[in-house]
Amino acid sequence: AQTVTQSQPEMSVQEAETVTLSCTYDTSENNYYLFWYKQPPSRQMILVIRQEAYKQQNATENRFSVNFQKAAKSFSLKISDSQLGDTAMYFCAFEYGNKLVFGAGTILRVKS
Amino acid sequence: DAGVTQSPTHLIKTRGQQVTLRCSPKSGHDTVSWYQQALGQGPQFIFQYYEEEERQRGNFPDRFSGHQFPNYSSELNVNALLLGDSALYLCASSLDQTSGNTIYFGEGSWLTVV
Repeated sequence: AQTVTQSQPEMSVQEAETVTLSCTYDTSENNYYLFWYKQPPSRQMILVIRQEAYKQQNATENRFSVNFQKAAKSFSLKISDSQLGDTAMYFCAFEYGNKLVFGAGTILRVKS
Repeated sequence: DAGVTQSPTHLIKTRGQQVTLRCSPKSGHDTVSWYQQALGQGPQFIFQYYEEEERQRGNFPDRFSGHQFPNYSSELNVNALLLGDSALYLCASSLDQTSGNTIYFGEGSWLTVV
């Protein structure tokens, strides 16, 4: 069975600074996908970034990037130049066979 | 292009009652999954429908059932409601069952059981 662990229940960061959210996972699969989703107070789950396990290159989407360490089963999210609109719950998720397994989430608060 | 739409947005039910939640997938998507998100927790996979059949199921009792229609829309039914069923129910859609396809979520249906 796959499991996803997010060890930081809450994080805060000053506007314009950089923050890193941690995620580890456990699986016996070799080919899979990892995602970070953002869930603002509206509760809409929004895809932030995706990583294919067979690609060693870390994914990047504008201010969002990941540090994917396959051997360590680690998948952290770095947010650069944090903005007030980044305030939300962030979920790390493992995907295999079109089914998502989510971590418990990290609440990120961006302060002005 | 309409995204994933769900109805109703909010509803309140009494213990023992039955509830039906509805979902229309994103245009062009044929696979629909349902997730339960309790307050303060991550979503938990309930089941997935493809070609009008349940293809995968999470660790949920038989009180949770579903259906997919020929137009790919889906319903989630929960019978004999318990207080613990209170949660946000998220519908997600994707293009077929291939791993790696982007999965899109609706805004959810808030269910409160009293």
